[in-house]
Amino acid sequence: GAGVSQSPSNKVTEKGKDVELRCDPISGHTALYWYRQSLGQGLEFLIYFQGNSAPDKSGLPSDRFSAERTGGSVSTLTIQRTQQEDSAVYLCASSQWVMNEKLFFGSGTQLSVL
Amino acid sequence: KQEVTQIPAALSVPEGENLVLNCSFTDSAIYNLQWFRQDPGKGLTSLLLIQSSQREQTSGRLNASLDKSSGRSTLYIAASQPGDSATYLCAVTKMKTSYDKVIFGPGTSLSVIP
Repeated sequence: GAGVSQSPSNKVTEKGKDVELRCDPISGHTALYWYRQSLGQGLEFLIYFQGNSAPDKSGLPSDRFSAERTGGSVSTLTIQRTQQEDSAVYLCASSQWVMNEKLFFGSGTQLSVL
Repeated sequence: KQEVTQIPAALSVPEGENLVLNCSFTDSAIYNLQWFRQDPGKGLTSLLLIQSSQREQTSGRLNASLDKSSGRSTLYIAASQPGDSATYLCAVTKMKTSYDKVIFGPGTSLSVIP
């Protein structure tokens, strides 16, 4: 595709429900990042995928958060038993795995947990 | 641990003024530094990428400098316009150990007053 695509753009859910957020990176990009941005806050790193290597999960805030990347392309971020503090914009970014390549971001998913 | 800070947190200038945004990072072992722009409710757009071996990059009215030894970067915007109003974030890519990782600063919110 022309850019990084995220869906849904908005998600409203009830506390305790599970949600899945999807990211379609730019074709050919092997590096994929998930970030979280809370209202008025900076970007919080969540997880990083690079090719077929094991992902860097060091930023995931709790075991309720998980992510996978199928076929080295599409990624899904899953939040189980959502809490109100999970409300934020979840941003996905991708880049080519060649050093000094720019990071391209999707428009994000605005998650609201009621 | 790499930390990235940005000063000021917010800036308001009249149209036409030249301005400088500052970014500092604690660990000089970086691959590159990027400056991004984020419009309200949108994802991030990469503006400039400076490789660790470079001192500056220019694109139109934007000029970014990098002093790796002192852990500083500046983004200079010439002849500011109302359309420049946005949040500007800097981000550094850590020198690779197991994985590269892009760490973001909190951003500077810029308002250009017509």
